[in-house]
Parts: sequence; structure tokens; C-alpha cells
Amino acid sequence: QKEVEQNSGPLSVPEGAIASLNCTYSDRGSQSFFWYRQYSGKSPELIMSIYSNGDKEDGRFTAQLNKASQYVSLLIRDSQPSDSATYLCAVLSGTNAGKSTFGDGTTLTVKP
Amino acid sequence: DGGITQSPKYLFRKEGQNVTLSCEQNLNHDAMYWYRQDPGQGLRLIYYSQIVNDFQKGDIAEGYSVSREKKESFPLTVTSAQKNPTAFYLCASSDPRREDTDTQYFGPGTRLTVL
Repeated sequence: QKEVEQNSGPLSVPEGAIASLNCTYSDRGSQSFFWYRQYSGKSPELIMSIYSNGDKEDGRFTAQLNKASQYVSLLIRDSQPSDSATYLCAVLSGTNAGKSTFGDGTTLTVKP
Repeated sequence: DGGITQSPKYLFRKEGQNVTLSCEQNLNHDAMYWYRQDPGQGLRLIYYSQIVNDFQKGDIAEGYSVSREKKESFPLTVTSAQKNPTAFYLCASSDPRREDTDTQYFGPGTRLTVL
């Protein structure tokens, strides 16, 4: 079992729809969770970070964390073609200080 | 203009050669990281350093070496012992003292190809 698993893609949604990206992790001690967006050939850029159970909203993006279920998700409302990218979930280790583990990513395509 | 720079952007290596990838940051971040990304995959941690003159192996350190003599710099050497080094290499930094602790900021990457 991978330490961080993301729902297999690719994911395709029409413009204006809600895109839902999911991530599960195995390290119960993890406290910090991140979503990065990576355009093809480019480096990742931070979209959201979340540390507490519940929802965190930033514009069209909402991150949801459930530590009991070891689950974190990212919702993108009113999806735009510019949201088409690979989304990476990252989890900071609860035991190895400073060490983050990334999932393999989910590729999202938003069709006009 | 603060940020992380990596050089070169593209690098070609002959088999049996060692090459060094540069990573410099002027963000005053304590921690720095090196990741490798293969097509269609996520990032895998090679080495990380939380403070000058100290670094730890990540998940795939074999065939790589690093140094951290200055806070701003964290060069990665890909040695001839790394059997399949063709990949996209990403450097990142973070400042654990910040409230958004351990958010990592990435450089633009170096694409290494073995000929």
C-alpha cells in the first residue's frame, strides 16, 4: 500500500462543473496536508494547505480533511479550462520531521 | 525578487559521468529538498536538509549525494552509480518557523537526460 494514494485519473469535467479530487494516507500521525497544482512540464505550485479537520475554503477551492478516516479532498467549483493540470496531494510525516510524501497525482481536464 | 532558482534547465549526461544540479534560494528558508519526478508519477524524495551542514536521506537516495554548506544552496550530484537518472529534478524549500509550517516552494526544475 502506498503511503499517499490519490484517485486514479484522468478526470474530465465540463466547464463550470465541480471537480472532486481525493487522497488517502497511511500515517496516522500526519498533521499537515497540501494540494499542489502542476501544469505539464512545470514545477508544482501550492493551491491549499490544511491542518485541522473540516473544510477550508479559498475562492473556488475547498479542501476537506478527515483525520479519523485518513482522507483529504480538494473540490474545485466552477471549473475552468485553466484548471486543467495534475493535482498532487502531499502529506507531512508525523514521525520524520520535515519529510513530505506525495501521491502520484490526478490529472484533471476541464472541457470548454 | 525572492525565489528558488535551479540550473541548468536542461542537462544531458553521458553514461558513467557525474553531474551536479544547482539549487539556490533567497527566501531565507532553513529547509531544502530534492525530489525526482518520472513521467506520470508523483514526486519522490531524494534528500532533504533542515539546517546548514546537516541532511537526511529520503526514499531514493542511492546514487545521489548532496551538500549543505550554505543556507542558500543545496546542490545535488547525480553519480554514475544512479542507473536510471533520466528524470525531472525539483528542488524545494520551506520555513518551518512560519505559521504555514512546511509549505514547500519549488524551483522551476532541471530535466536530466542520459545519452
